[in-house]
Amino acid sequence: QSALTQPPSASGSPGQSVTISCTGTTGDVGGYNYVSWYQQHPGKAPKLMIYEVTKRPSGVPDRFSGSKSGNTASLTVSGLQAEDEADYYCNSYAGNSNWVFGGGTKLTVL
Amino acid sequence: EVQLVESGGGLVQPGGSLRLSCAASGFTFNNYWMTWVRQAPGKGLDWVANIKPDGSVKQYADSLEGRITISRDNAKNSLYLQMNSLRVEDTAVYYCATSRDWAFDYWGRGTLLTVSS
Repeated sequence: QSALTQPPSASGSPGQSVTISCTGTTGDVGGYNYVSWYQQHPGKAPKLMIYEVTKRPSGVPDRFSGSKSGNTASLTVSGLQAEDEADYYCNSYAGNSNWVFGGGTKLTVL
Repeated sequence: EVQLVESGGGLVQPGGSLRLSCAASGFTFNNYWMTWVRQAPGKGLDWVANIKPDGSVKQYADSLEGRITISRDNAKNSLYLQMNSLRVEDTAVYYCATSRDWAFDYWGRGTLLTVSS
């Protein structure tokens, strides 16, 4: 199973919005509404930010939102804050009891 | 408070075996699917395996199937990952996580496995 495709990096200034894409195929992102997003700060465990494409777990700021169109899912961070600087990974169910992650995007707050 | 604490990592020679453990607390362990995810140094996340709450269903990454076994002991609130025929490329931090709503919602801090001669 091939990894989902994410841009290696993204950046924005405090207060701006940034969108990170996650491109797969009809066998994963496009075929299921089971895309999730994870935030990982250096040396820390990943943290779930979005699940089932658009849903936010309790405690995750509403500045984080998810969407999907065709084979591409997106994570948008609005009102960027310094603490949003981290690596972000998408994940999708890929059928046949398999899950696949994206390669990760390093978000820099300028 | 949900807590997941992995252990059992360390230095192993290529071809060797190791069992990783994950101690769970703060939630009803036997109600949750559980997952192992790994991350090679400086690399991205890689899904490894899932197991159903009662242990009756186990799912493995195609690239690892045949060399790994996921298991759990609900009486001990513990999750395990048996890894055999270890390769240098298995070097990674191994995380356990709860799996719910088609996502991995709580994560431990991970345990580092280094495969090297």
